[in-house]
Amino acid sequence: EVQLLESGGGLVQPGGSLRLSCAASGFTFSRYAMSWVRQAPGKGLEWVSTISGSAGGTYYADSVKGRFTISRDKHTVYLQMNSLRVDDTAVYYCAKDRGDYTNAFDIWGQGTVVTVSS
Amino acid sequence: DIQMTQSPSSLSASVGDRVTITCRASQSITNYLNWYQEKPGKAPKFLIYGASSLQSGVPSRFSGSGSGTDFTLTISSLQPEDLGTYYCQQSYTTPATFGQGTKVEIK
Repeated sequence: EVQLLESGGGLVQPGGSLRLSCAASGFTFSRYAMSWVRQAPGKGLEWVSTISGSAGGTYYADSVKGRFTISRDKHTVYLQMNSLRVDDTAVYYCAKDRGDYTNAFDIWGQGTVVTVSS
Repeated sequence: DIQMTQSPSSLSASVGDRVTITCRASQSITNYLNWYQEKPGKAPKFLIYGASSLQSGVPSRFSGSGSGTDFTLTISSLQPEDLGTYYCQQSYTTPATFGQGTKVEIK
Protein backbone atom coordinates (compact mmCIF):
# COMPACT_ATOMS: atom_id res chain seq x y z
CA GLU A 1 0.00 0.00 0.00
CA VAL A 2 1.30 3.45 -0.93
CA GLN A 3 1.66 5.59 2.18
CA LEU A 4 3.03 9.00 3.12
CA LEU A 5 3.52 9.89 6.76
CA GLU A 6 4.38 13.47 7.71
CA SER A 7 5.94 14.61 10.95
CA GLY A 8 7.72 17.61 12.42
CA GLY A 9 4.94 20.16 12.72
CA GLY A 10 4.39 22.22 15.82
CA LEU A 11 4.22 25.66 17.38
CA VAL A 12 7.06 28.05 16.59
CA GLN A 13 7.63 31.76 17.10
CA PRO A 14 7.89 34.14 14.14
CA GLY A 15 11.43 34.03 12.76
CA GLY A 16 11.92 30.47 13.95
CA SER A 17 12.61 27.26 12.06
CA LEU A 18 11.04 23.83 11.63
CA ARG A 19 11.92 20.77 9.60
CA LEU A 20 9.09 18.67 8.22
CA SER A 21 9.61 15.05 7.19
CA CYS A 22 7.53 12.78 4.99
CA ALA A 23 8.28 9.06 5.07
CA ALA A 24 7.21 7.22 1.94
CA SER A 25 6.47 3.53 1.46
CA GLY A 26 4.82 1.20 -1.02
CA PHE A 27 6.32 2.60 -4.24
CA THR A 28 9.69 3.14 -5.96
CA PHE A 29 10.43 6.47 -4.33
CA SER A 30 13.23 7.61 -6.64
CA ARG A 31 11.00 7.48 -9.73
CA TYR A 32 8.58 10.16 -8.58
CA ALA A 33 8.67 13.85 -7.86
CA MET A 34 7.45 14.81 -4.39
CA SER A 35 5.77 18.01 -3.31
CA TRP A 36 4.55 19.96 -0.31
CA VAL A 37 1.14 21.62 -0.45
CA ARG A 38 -0.29 23.68 2.40
CA GLN A 39 -3.70 24.80 3.56
CA ALA A 40 -4.05 27.79 5.86
CA PRO A 41 -6.96 27.71 8.33
CA GLY A 42 -10.24 28.11 6.46
CA LYS A 43 -8.46 28.58 3.13
CA GLY A 44 -7.80 26.61 -0.02
CA LEU A 45 -4.81 24.61 -1.19
CA GLU A 46 -1.48 26.27 -2.01
CA TRP A 47 1.44 24.53 -3.69
CA VAL A 48 4.67 25.18 -1.78
CA SER A 49 7.55 23.21 -3.29
CA THR A 50 8.51 20.24 -5.49
CA ILE A 51 11.61 18.10 -5.84
CA SER A 52 11.95 15.93 -8.92
CA GLY A 53 12.73 12.24 -8.68
CA SER A 54 15.55 11.74 -11.11
CA ALA A 55 17.56 14.92 -11.44
CA GLY A 56 16.64 16.31 -8.05
CA GLY A 57 15.57 19.67 -9.42
CA THR A 58 13.80 21.87 -6.90
CA TYR A 59 10.98 24.38 -7.34
CA TYR A 60 9.42 26.85 -4.92
CA ALA A 61 6.43 29.14 -4.62
CA ASP A 62 7.45 32.80 -4.56
CA SER A 63 5.97 33.10 -1.06
CA VAL A 64 8.59 30.70 0.37
CA LYS A 65 11.56 31.11 -1.97
CA GLY A 66 14.74 31.83 -0.07
CA ARG A 67 13.23 30.68 3.24
CA PHE A 68 12.24 27.04 2.61
CA THR A 69 14.41 24.21 1.28
CA ILE A 70 13.13 20.89 -0.03
CA SER A 71 15.33 17.80 -0.09
CA ARG A 72 15.04 14.03 -0.25
CA ASP A 73 16.94 10.90 0.60
CA LYS A 74 16.22 7.24 0.01
CA HIS A 75 12.64 7.12 1.34
CA THR A 76 11.93 10.54 2.86
CA VAL A 77 11.26 14.05 1.64
CA TYR A 78 12.01 17.03 3.87
CA LEU A 79 10.98 20.66 4.07
CA GLN A 80 13.34 22.90 6.01
CA MET A 81 11.44 26.04 6.92
CA ASN A 82 13.40 29.07 8.14
CA SER A 83 12.40 32.64 8.93
CA LEU A 84 8.86 31.50 9.56
CA ARG A 85 6.07 34.06 9.41
CA VAL A 86 2.59 34.11 10.89
CA ASP A 87 1.13 33.58 7.41
CA ASP A 88 3.02 30.28 7.10
CA THR A 89 0.55 28.84 9.61
CA ALA A 90 -1.15 25.91 7.84
CA VAL A 91 -1.60 22.19 7.53
CA TYR A 92 1.32 21.00 5.41
CA TYR A 93 0.65 18.00 3.17
CA CYS A 94 3.25 15.85 1.51
CA ALA A 95 2.08 14.69 -1.93
CA LYS A 96 3.38 12.17 -4.44
CA ASP A 97 3.47 13.13 -8.11
CA ARG A 98 1.88 10.84 -10.72
CA GLY A 99 5.25 10.74 -12.43
CA ASP A 100 8.52 12.61 -12.43
CA TYR A 101 7.29 16.20 -12.20
CA THR A 102 3.83 16.19 -13.77
CA ASN A 103 2.43 18.47 -11.03
CA ALA A 104 -0.52 16.11 -10.56
CA PHE A 105 -0.62 14.78 -7.01
CA ASP A 106 -2.08 11.29 -6.71
CA ILE A 107 -1.26 10.35 -3.11
CA TRP A 108 -1.37 12.68 -0.10
CA GLY A 109 -0.25 12.27 3.48
CA GLN A 110 -2.50 13.04 6.42
CA GLY A 111 -0.86 16.42 6.98
CA THR A 112 1.11 18.03 9.79
CA VAL A 113 0.10 21.27 11.47
CA VAL A 114 2.48 24.22 11.61
CA THR A 115 1.49 27.15 13.81
CA VAL A 116 3.60 30.31 13.78
CA SER A 117 2.67 32.54 16.67
CA SER A 118 4.23 34.53 19.46
CA ASP B 1 0.82 32.68 -12.43
CA ILE B 2 -2.27 31.00 -13.92
CA GLN B 3 -5.42 31.84 -11.96
CA MET B 4 -8.07 29.16 -11.50
CA THR B 5 -11.64 30.21 -10.79
CA GLN B 6 -14.34 27.78 -9.71
CA SER B 7 -18.08 28.21 -9.62
CA PRO B 8 -20.19 27.98 -7.66
CA SER B 9 -18.38 28.47 -4.35
CA SER B 10 -20.91 26.19 -2.70
CA LEU B 11 -23.95 24.17 -3.59
CA SER B 12 -26.57 22.07 -1.88
CA ALA B 13 -28.14 19.15 -3.71
CA SER B 14 -30.20 16.07 -2.98
CA VAL B 15 -29.06 12.49 -3.15
CA GLY B 16 -29.43 11.31 -6.73
CA ASP B 17 -29.07 14.78 -8.26
CA ARG B 18 -26.68 15.54 -11.09
CA VAL B 19 -24.09 18.04 -9.88
CA THR B 20 -21.83 20.18 -12.07
CA ILE B 21 -18.85 22.28 -10.96
CA THR B 22 -17.03 24.53 -13.39
CA CYS B 23 -13.42 25.68 -13.42
CA ARG B 24 -11.93 28.39 -15.60
CA ALA B 25 -8.24 29.07 -16.19
CA SER B 26 -6.87 32.56 -16.84
CA GLN B 27 -5.06 31.24 -19.93
CA SER B 28 -5.10 28.05 -21.96
CA ILE B 29 -3.85 25.00 -20.08
CA THR B 30 -4.80 22.54 -22.87
CA ASN B 31 -5.95 19.51 -20.83
CA TYR B 32 -3.56 19.84 -17.86
CA LEU B 33 -6.40 19.99 -15.36
CA ASN B 34 -6.88 17.86 -12.26
CA TRP B 35 -9.69 17.51 -9.73
CA TYR B 36 -9.47 16.69 -6.03
CA GLN B 37 -12.03 15.94 -3.32
CA GLU B 38 -11.41 17.03 0.25
CA LYS B 39 -13.56 15.69 3.06
CA PRO B 40 -13.64 17.43 6.46
CA GLY B 41 -10.53 16.59 8.46
CA LYS B 42 -9.04 14.45 5.72
CA ALA B 43 -6.33 14.88 3.11
CA PRO B 44 -7.35 15.68 -0.47
CA LYS B 45 -8.13 12.74 -2.74
CA PHE B 46 -7.09 12.66 -6.41
CA LEU B 47 -10.14 12.16 -8.63
CA ILE B 48 -9.41 13.11 -12.23
CA TYR B 49 -6.31 14.00 -14.25
CA GLY B 50 -5.81 15.23 -17.78
CA ALA B 51 -9.23 16.90 -17.57
CA SER B 52 -11.16 13.66 -18.15
CA SER B 53 -9.20 10.59 -17.01
CA LEU B 54 -10.62 8.92 -13.92
CA GLN B 55 -8.08 7.94 -11.28
CA SER B 56 -8.11 4.24 -10.42
CA GLY B 57 -10.66 3.40 -7.73
CA VAL B 58 -12.76 6.54 -8.19
CA PRO B 59 -16.47 5.78 -8.73
CA SER B 60 -17.68 6.11 -12.31
CA ARG B 61 -20.35 8.65 -11.31
CA PHE B 62 -17.50 11.19 -11.37
CA SER B 63 -16.48 12.55 -14.76
CA GLY B 64 -14.53 15.49 -16.13
CA SER B 65 -14.54 17.36 -19.40
CA GLY B 66 -13.16 20.45 -21.08
CA SER B 67 -10.01 21.83 -22.65
CA GLY B 68 -8.29 25.15 -23.11
CA THR B 69 -9.68 27.38 -20.38
CA ASP B 70 -13.05 25.88 -19.43
CA PHE B 71 -13.54 22.65 -17.52
CA THR B 72 -16.32 20.77 -15.75
CA LEU B 73 -16.55 18.16 -13.00
CA THR B 74 -19.82 16.24 -12.99
CA ILE B 75 -21.23 13.90 -10.39
CA SER B 76 -23.96 12.01 -12.24
CA SER B 77 -25.89 10.87 -9.17
CA LEU B 78 -24.89 12.53 -5.91
CA GLN B 79 -24.29 10.18 -2.98
CA PRO B 80 -24.11 11.04 0.74
CA GLU B 81 -20.39 10.23 0.82
CA ASP B 82 -19.72 12.85 -1.87
CA LEU B 83 -20.05 15.75 0.56
CA GLY B 84 -16.90 17.80 0.82
CA THR B 85 -14.95 20.47 -1.03
CA TYR B 86 -13.80 19.99 -4.62
CA TYR B 87 -10.74 21.71 -6.05
CA CYS B 88 -9.52 22.04 -9.60
CA GLN B 89 -5.79 22.45 -10.20
CA GLN B 90 -3.72 23.24 -13.27
CA SER B 91 -0.57 21.23 -13.91
CA TYR B 92 0.33 23.02 -17.14
CA THR B 93 3.06 25.09 -15.59
CA THR B 94 4.84 25.86 -12.31
CA PRO B 95 3.58 27.13 -9.94
CA ALA B 96 0.76 24.61 -9.85
CA THR B 97 -2.33 26.56 -8.86
CA PHE B 98 -5.66 25.53 -7.39
CA GLY B 99 -9.15 26.91 -7.63
CA GLN B 100 -10.67 28.34 -4.47
CA GLY B 101 -12.85 25.25 -3.96
CA THR B 102 -16.52 24.33 -4.27
CA LYS B 103 -18.22 23.09 -1.12
CA VAL B 104 -20.84 20.41 -1.81
CA GLU B 105 -23.53 19.83 0.78
CA ILE B 106 -26.31 17.28 0.86
CA LYS B 107 -29.85 18.59 1.29
